[in-house]
Amino acid sequence: EPEVTQTPSHQVTQMGQEVILRCVPISNHLYFYWYRQILGQKVEFLVSFYNNEISEKSEIFDDQFSVERPDGSNFTLKIRSTKLEDSAMYFCASSGPSGLAGGSWPKNIQYFGAGTRLSVL
Amino acid sequence: GESVGLHLPTLSVQEGDNSIINCAYSNSASDYFIWYKQESGKGPQFIIDIRSNMDKRQGQRVTVLLNKTVKHLSLQIAATQPGDSAVYFCAEFETGGGNKLTFGTGTQLKVEL
Repeated sequence: EPEVTQTPSHQVTQMGQEVILRCVPISNHLYFYWYRQILGQKVEFLVSFYNNEISEKSEIFDDQFSVERPDGSNFTLKIRSTKLEDSAMYFCASSGPSGLAGGSWPKNIQYFGAGTRLSVL
Repeated sequence: GESVGLHLPTLSVQEGDNSIINCAYSNSASDYFIWYKQESGKGPQFIIDIRSNMDKRQGQRVTVLLNKTVKHLSLQIAATQPGDSAVYFCAEFETGGGNKLTFGTGTQLKVEL
């Protein structure tokens, strides 16, 4: 069964350092997302990405964050200068098989990876 | 602001019983809802979804009910099994609202043997 894969599973970094979290979405999906979950809290939307550009971002996704799809398979989240409060689980998700357009139902089912636990010390 | 919330943080049920997990949402423009299951250390796993033009949808052992009048969702799990123990989130989606899911706070389901 196709799945979203994320690496690394756990990333430890020092405050102020840059980190790159990596994701391989499901291969025929067109829409990509990053969410985060602070321990014990709900999952929060960060950013959505479609057609090589950001389609939506939350207030959390400030100038320290960026996303990129460097090739046909990877989708990355970069945090330029990490802060203590960036410590969280970061989930990548994808949706929307190719060939479906507009608001068709299957596009909306977002499939999540297992997450990367980011610990900022 | 708009929010999606859950009525109960923890639900304990006996193995074999039916479970009902509730969710209230406040964005009247939401037109699509998903239930996710999250096991410890894992990402949210899709369970079942429903569009706002439906009031009920059934899957394997799961049923989602939608009451738009009172902005309420429920997830019913039949014959609950130990493997159902997890945190369950409802998430809402608004077409044209940026393609993002807004998650509720989650309900911990504990299945007792």
